[in-house]
Amino acid sequence: EVQLVESGGGLVQPGRSLRLSCAASGFIFDEYAMHWVRQAPGKGPEWVAGFSGVSWSSPTIGYADSVKGRFTVSRDNAQNSLYLQMDSLRPDDTALYYCVKDKGIGWSYFDFWGQGALVTVSS
Amino acid sequence: EIVLTQSPATLSLSPGERATLSCRASQSVGGFLAWYQQKPGQAPRLLIFDASIRATGIPARFSGSGSGTDFTLTISSLESEDFAVYYCQQRSNWPPLTFGGGTEVEIK
Repeated sequence: EVQLVESGGGLVQPGRSLRLSCAASGFIFDEYAMHWVRQAPGKGPEWVAGFSGVSWSSPTIGYADSVKGRFTVSRDNAQNSLYLQMDSLRPDDTALYYCVKDKGIGWSYFDFWGQGALVTVSS
Repeated sequence: EIVLTQSPATLSLSPGERATLSCRASQSVGGFLAWYQQKPGQAPRLLIFDASIRATGIPARFSGSGSGTDFTLTISSLESEDFAVYYCQQRSNWPPLTFGGGTEVEIK
């Protein structure tokens, strides 16, 4: 059974940093792309960042324009873990952050989602 | 960036009725479109990918069609558990991967 468990969310002041972690199990982690998708209260999902699987032609990392230069996605295939380092946080980064498994090794669709980590940016 | 526009924003229907949801892309995405269902307090669930392929465990009453810029999700006969918000998502041109704004299917 695929499981994705996020941790590291919380309340943080604007301009500060937070690091989210995602522990994955139930599938061969390094064979799949992984993503972070967020959802602000009452809004639709927004893709934040993605990291291709290890056998992709070359490691592909990408970010939404709204977080580029502030957020960094990384993965530790030995630990079956995905991370999101979030710096210079802003109030509009407030959202539920989901760790999401891709259907494939590259970037495609999201077939398994965690339960989310709530990040609140407020003074 | 490819923008996905979903219509209508809200669909008010009764159980047993047919639901037809639309997703229009700002440029062609070929057949690279998915549909998700989200219920309150839950993460989205993949229903359809590559425009018309049902994901594992998805009932046959859900079907997808379309290509290029115009796509449709059809629920042939609404069950009580189908009242939810539905999102489309494209994987044709990334980054970014983008979602539509959603259609809420509510009980009439």
